[in-house]
Amino acid sequence: KAGVTQTPRYLIKTRGQQVTLSCSPISGHRSVSWYQQTPGQGLQFLFEYFSETQRNKGNFPGRFSGRQFSNSRSEMNVSTLELGDSALYLCASTGTAGMGYEQYFGPGTRLTVT
Amino acid sequence: GQNIDQPTEMTATEGAIVQINCTYQTSGFNGLFWYQQHAGEAPTFLSYNVLDGLEEKGRFSSFLSRSKGYSYLLLKELQMKDSASYLCAVRDPPDSWGKLQFGAGTQVVVTP
Repeated sequence: KAGVTQTPRYLIKTRGQQVTLSCSPISGHRSVSWYQQTPGQGLQFLFEYFSETQRNKGNFPGRFSGRQFSNSRSEMNVSTLELGDSALYLCASTGTAGMGYEQYFGPGTRLTVT
Repeated sequence: GQNIDQPTEMTATEGAIVQINCTYQTSGFNGLFWYQQHAGEAPTFLSYNVLDGLEEKGRFSSFLSRSKGYSYLLLKELQMKDSASYLCAVRDPPDSWGKLQFGAGTQVVVTP
């Protein structure tokens, strides 16, 4: 069974630009969560999508947004990039009843903003 | 919200045992996770505890006491490859299976 996949793996952007990251969950998982990890703040929850609906949102500005498609694949978008957005962005998928409620992470996208 | 505490760093010798403690203060609780994260990589799932007690998976075991807001991860027969950060995370109830709150992580250093 394939794990969580994320593309791209590495990205370099300039301040003010926008970026879109993609995530494909484990087959059968309908919940997709996004996290930001930085050395200073650790792993922080961004948002969760389930059945194409945002179910929870963390404490991030509106520049961070996401969506989920009918096949459970998800994208997150960051607009007007700031230097502080440099981080490892992790996608995770969670099983539901019958599949266990364990959460598995993808390899991450390392974003560098210059 | 959640307050999750774990030690910053622990050092142990190859072949030894290390126990990483995690305490949490929550208004609700819906499961506790442990992840291993090597430098520059994504977290890898180790365990998920919902009920009290000890769960063993090979060299790794995880324990949970919900009444005490306490968990530990036990690493036995330490190997050099076990040098990594170990993250404790609590699932935020009640309506979201996908939202985890993480501790800052415990850096385990295994020495020869």
